Amino acid sequence: AQSVSQHNHHVILSEAASLELGCNYSYGGTVNLFWYVQYPGQHLQLLLKYFSGDPLVKGIKGFEAEFIKSKFSFNLRKPSVQWSDTAEYFCAGMRSQGNLIFGKGTKLSVKP
Amino acid sequence: GAGVSQSPSNKVTEKGKDVELRCDPISGHTALYWYRQRLGQGLEFLIYFQGNSAPDKSGLPSDRFSAERTGESVSTLTIQRTQQEDSAVYLCASTEWVGANYGYTFGSGTRLTVV
Repeated sequence: AQSVSQHNHHVILSEAASLELGCNYSYGGTVNLFWYVQYPGQHLQLLLKYFSGDPLVKGIKGFEAEFIKSKFSFNLRKPSVQWSDTAEYFCAGMRSQGNLIFGKGTKLSVKP
Repeated sequence: GAGVSQSPSNKVTEKGKDVELRCDPISGHTALYWYRQRLGQGLEFLIYFQGNSAPDKSGLPSDRFSAERTGESVSTLTIQRTQQEDSAVYLCASTEWVGANYGYTFGSGTRLTVV
């Protein structure tokens, strides 16, 4: 079955630390992958997406993610986090039927 | 409209009552999706519509849940005989067509609390 997994449930970092959140997917065929962010009290927003081409994709607010086919991974990275990055981050993949399946999410807390 | 609109934003209901949740997608978006987010859980897919038809109802948790969409616009998610485990945030999203790979636009959700 197609699935997306995020292994980090809660990550706590200090400001200026580097961030890497893990995401693995388990399906073949065409791979369309996404990262969404949900800031406290706000709705889900798209951070970045991959569907073909350069495996290193850049998104908003300095985030980037790298698609590594051999590892079935699409990890999210940011070189230096800010307090305002405190949020919940969701990885998602598109099923063959066209709808998205989401991981369970990773809460990021950044200490000022 | 400019974004995906959901109503009500909050709903408290007694166990056993029926509830209706409404989603108004972006104008012109033919694909509409419903998800559920329970506390501490990820987003759980419920159902999607392409136009007025729902090709995949496999995510609906039980036969107490149903959804419809009319006129390729508004969709209603109905939960009959609500149970406490139905408490969650119900999210709606839309895209121009199913499989559009630029990502969903989500609404702000309806927070349902069953007491």
